[in-house]
Amino acid sequence: EAGVVQSPRYKIIEKKQPVAFWCNPISGHNTLYWYLQNLGQGPELLIRYENEEAVDDSQLPKDRFSAERLKGVDSTLKIQPAELGDSAVYLCASSLSGGLGYTFGSGTRLTVV
Amino acid sequence: AQSVTQLDSQVPVFEEAPVELRCNYSSSVSVYLFWYVQYPNQGLQLLLKYLSGSTLVKGINGFEAEFNKSQTSFHLRKPSVHISDTAEYFCAVRSINGNQFYFGTGTSLTVIP
Repeated sequence: EAGVVQSPRYKIIEKKQPVAFWCNPISGHNTLYWYLQNLGQGPELLIRYENEEAVDDSQLPKDRFSAERLKGVDSTLKIQPAELGDSAVYLCASSLSGGLGYTFGSGTRLTVV
Repeated sequence: AQSVTQLDSQVPVFEEAPVELRCNYSSSVSVYLFWYVQYPNQGLQLLLKYLSGSTLVKGINGFEAEFNKSQTSFHLRKPSVHISDTAEYFCAVRSINGNQFYFGTGTSLTVIP
């Protein structure tokens, strides 16, 4: 069974440019999460979806970050415009309701120059 | 809310020696406890978890952890480490009724030949 798939694995962009990350969760997982992992830190939740609804986006910096999960399956996280401080690893995870089967993807490593 | 403290940011240990990575947590509600491992440029891999029952939990790659409720600790141990155990280790908690993980800042384990 395929795990949580994220793309791209690596992305290098210039500051002020837009960037988007894509996540395909495990089939049947209705809950999807985006986490931010800064260098030397543990991951922190950005947003959580239950199906297509964002039920917790309190940690998402809404001035430049946005996310969507159309049709309740794949999800896209966007940053526009990117800043130097956005350089980090962006992890996607998915689970069944109640957190069962919680699985992390390999992440997208973003470098803003 | 919950929080996790990993007391050691870096742990060097010689090959075949035992190791203990320390983790303490704080929470006003009942929680599940987890240890994840992250190899360079990889995502998070679940090592083991405590949900209920026996306080000694065995995981993959020969690791084990013991839940101590009175000391609010969940220390990770391995009796004999290998070079391949060199990685970043994260302790995490999640409330039994919640979906969000709270991670510690990680412990970098370096196994010295």
